Amino acid sequence: SYELTQPPSVSVSPGQTARITCSGDALPKQFAYWYQQKPGQAPVVVMYTDSERPSGIPERFSGSSSGTTVTLTISGVQAEDEADYYCQSADSSGTYRVFGGGTKLTVL
Amino acid sequence: QVQLVQSGAEVKKPGASVKVSCKASGYTFTNYDINWVRQATGQGLEWMGWLNPNSGDTDYTQKFQGRVTMTRNTSISTAYMELSSLRSEDAAVYYCARGHRGMDVWGQGTTVTVSS
Repeated sequence: SYELTQPPSVSVSPGQTARITCSGDALPKQFAYWYQQKPGQAPVVVMYTDSERPSGIPERFSGSSSGTTVTLTISGVQAEDEADYYCQSADSSGTYRVFGGGTKLTVL
Repeated sequence: QVQLVQSGAEVKKPGASVKVSCKASGYTFTNYDINWVRQATGQGLEWMGWLNPNSGDTDYTQKFQGRVTMTRNTSISTAYMELSSLRSEDAAVYYCARGHRGMDVWGQGTTVTVSS
């Protein structure tokens, strides 16, 4: 089955830039989405179709894509950004969705 | 406002079935797919499948084929996910999520406990 690979953890100091990657063979063909999940809460989409930011999501969140890797970048990280982040995409057929394993962002 | 409201927590015995509901409001229910996603305690998100509320068409990930059934009642803007032959590994929080710009609206989650 198709898999998306994320680093388990990323740590940054406040004000620095955090980059979270997600790799998958079908990413050149399928859009990626990113979700932020804080403890005890449902996920919230922070990026759609690789690099589009939903309304209400701070401008410090951005997304990019290059080949089989997509990246969520958080510039000027704030303490409130500490959360789990999941990428999501589809297999090459576009039918089946899949989530990456998640990345825990720690703000030091 | 757009929201999805799910049914309450369930406790089931191994081998039983559970049916979770997801009531949509604030938008036209038949215009967007409904995804079902689960999350075991301390684990990541796992996509189970999706339902087209307009046609009733479904797609399930292979892991759950034969055990999961996703249905809807358009008259009350509600989607359902039924999982059968429950085992301990099925204990999780189950979410429904609207399929728009990814999954833009999520239900609050339904905790399913599987215990003898």
